[in-house]
Amino acid sequence: AQTVTQSQPEMSVQEAETVTLSCTYDTSENNYYLFWYKQPPSRQMILVIRQEAYKQQNATENRFSVNFQKAAKSFSLKISDSQLGDTAMYFCAFMKHLGGTDKLIFGTGTRLQVFP
Amino acid sequence: DSGVTQTPKHLITATGQRVTLRCSPRSGDLSVYWYQQSLDQGLQFLIQYYNGEERAKGNILERFSAQQFPDLHSELNLSSLELGDSALYFCASSADRGQKLFFGSGTQLSVL
Repeated sequence: AQTVTQSQPEMSVQEAETVTLSCTYDTSENNYYLFWYKQPPSRQMILVIRQEAYKQQNATENRFSVNFQKAAKSFSLKISDSQLGDTAMYFCAFMKHLGGTDKLIFGTGTRLQVFP
Repeated sequence: DSGVTQTPKHLITATGQRVTLRCSPRSGDLSVYWYQQSLDQGLQFLIQYYNGEERAKGNILERFSAQQFPDLHSELNLSSLELGDSALYFCASSADRGQKLFFGSGTQLSVL
């Protein structure tokens, strides 16, 4: 079974600085998808970024980028130029590529606080 | 706005009661997923439907059931409610395998 681990329960960063959130996962699959979701105080789940495991190029979405290390089974999220609105819970998630369900398996989350 | 609609937003009920949570997926999405988010269990996958058929079951209790109707909306039925069922219940939808899941705003269930 696949598992997703986020080892940082809480992190903080000053506005305009850069922060990196860690995520590791365990799977025997070769092809899969990885995601970062953001959950602000409104509790809405918002997709931040998606990575396809068969692509070597790291995904980027504006100020958000990932460092995908397939061999190490690591998928970290870098937030550049942090903004107060980035304050949220961040969840890393895994999805199988083939076979059975394509459900998301979530980590336990990292609570990020951006302060002025 | 994700395009996924969940009703009601809040639900307060008593132990032993039964409730129904409703979800309308994004237009064109065939897959619907239900998740439970509680403080001690995190985000737990409950069940998935694809085009009206059950595709996968997760940590869903026997007291809970779900279905997806021909118009693709889905309902999650929770019965014999217990205090521990208090949680935020999310519905999500996607167009196809590997695609992004879009989440509704959730139904906050409080069992008193």
